[in-house]
Amino acid sequence: DQQVKQNSPSLSVQEGRISILNCDYTNSMFDYFLWYKKYPAEGPTFLISISSIKDKNEDGRFTVFLNKSAKHLSLHIVPSQPGDSAVYFCAASRYDKVIFGPGTSLSVIP
Amino acid sequence: GAVVSQHPSRVICKSGTSVKIECRSLDFQATTMFWYRQFPKQSLMLMATSNEGSKATYEQGVEKDKFLINHASLTLSTLTVTSAHPEDSSFYICSARPAKAGDTGELFFGEGSRLTVL
Repeated sequence: DQQVKQNSPSLSVQEGRISILNCDYTNSMFDYFLWYKKYPAEGPTFLISISSIKDKNEDGRFTVFLNKSAKHLSLHIVPSQPGDSAVYFCAASRYDKVIFGPGTSLSVIP
Repeated sequence: GAVVSQHPSRVICKSGTSVKIECRSLDFQATTMFWYRQFPKQSLMLMATSNEGSKATYEQGVEKDKFLINHASLTLSTLTVTSAHPEDSSFYICSARPAKAGDTGELFFGEGSRLTVL
């Protein structure tokens, strides 16, 4: 049973344009949602998170939107840069565990 | 930011031997640590949740006797892969949640350990 889903395994975006990565979850008990960026053979690095009581959080080029009724969140990166090319994991958290989605590989084309 | 150190970063061992991987939170106390396994081109699979001073909680399908987890202190958790076999070869990653997580719910990840079993 996949509690956190990222239905797009890959995404290609032109440099300077907006990247939108989507994530869906099934468990309404999650209290935080997080986005991590990962390069091969490295541990994930934290990007941005959002509490379940909010619907938007913005940090520089990164904005996360949460739609609780739809159990859906998205990460917007604007403007996209070639250095943003990586695998992005959506994660959902309760205090006792953190569940990751399968990841979306983002390629930003110069 | 907070730092989590994982050691060793790479280990190669013979089939049948045991391998221990350490995860340390260097500048904060972590009441909870998580162990993940990543297969090539796949997501991070949660193996177990480790709480200081108590037994780890394993996810369904993860063998407790195969993957021994010890969270001996607020800054150290260890994963021991016992009687390793080639199918245990993988990238193992730990993460730690600070005792005071603040408002982000953020986890801090180690650099990962690449295990290769010959």
